[in-house]
Amino acid sequence: GAVVSQHPSWVICKSGTSVKIECRSLDFQATTMFWYRQFPKQSLMLMATSNEGSKATYEQGVEKDKFLINHASLTLSTLTVTSAHPEDSSFYICSARDLAGGPGELFFGEGSRLTVL
Amino acid sequence: GENVEQHPSTLSVQEGDSAVIKCTYSDSASNYFPWYKQELGKRPQLIIDIRSNVGEKKDQRIAVTLNKTAKHFSLHITETQPEDSAVYFCAASLSNYQLIWGAGTKLIIKP
Repeated sequence: GAVVSQHPSWVICKSGTSVKIECRSLDFQATTMFWYRQFPKQSLMLMATSNEGSKATYEQGVEKDKFLINHASLTLSTLTVTSAHPEDSSFYICSARDLAGGPGELFFGEGSRLTVL
Repeated sequence: GENVEQHPSTLSVQEGDSAVIKCTYSDSASNYFPWYKQELGKRPQLIIDIRSNVGEKKDQRIAVTLNKTAKHFSLHITETQPEDSAVYFCAASLSNYQLIWGAGTKLIIKP
């Protein structure tokens, strides 16, 4: 199946700094990627939909200036957590769909566990 | 918009027994229903999916059934094994390709 790679897997940063997470589709082109946040023992919470070549679509309650998303190419989307605070500590997962053939399997990256001190 | 409800939140079964997890959805236009398995600290992995033109699909010990009239779909795992222990998520998808997720079910297989 298709492969989505996410980097870094783990990141620890100081409060007030910014952290960038990369999501790459390795063997297919993804015009759309999805960014999720997952708290312990909870479901996946969609944060935003990343669209190649245009602005991301953010879900209600997600601050677009806080979570900057850039989808500059058909294989790369980035999420930047700006001025991170301890409450931003979470598991962030990206996903993408290989749209050839219509709606189908959503492939996930490995996830990035962010800890803000 | 679409809303997906998943039950139960936790399910504990004896090894070798069957497990059933149920989901309901609200939008009759949804046409794709996947089930994902997520082990602790890992990414969700697709285990089975079904489209709206099919009522049932089976893959070895795993099966999914879909009732479009009632707008619910279920995951069935037979002959459960310890490695089946994980969190399972159902989802529903509209034609815009975005998945709406259930809250998840933690499946515990007791030895």
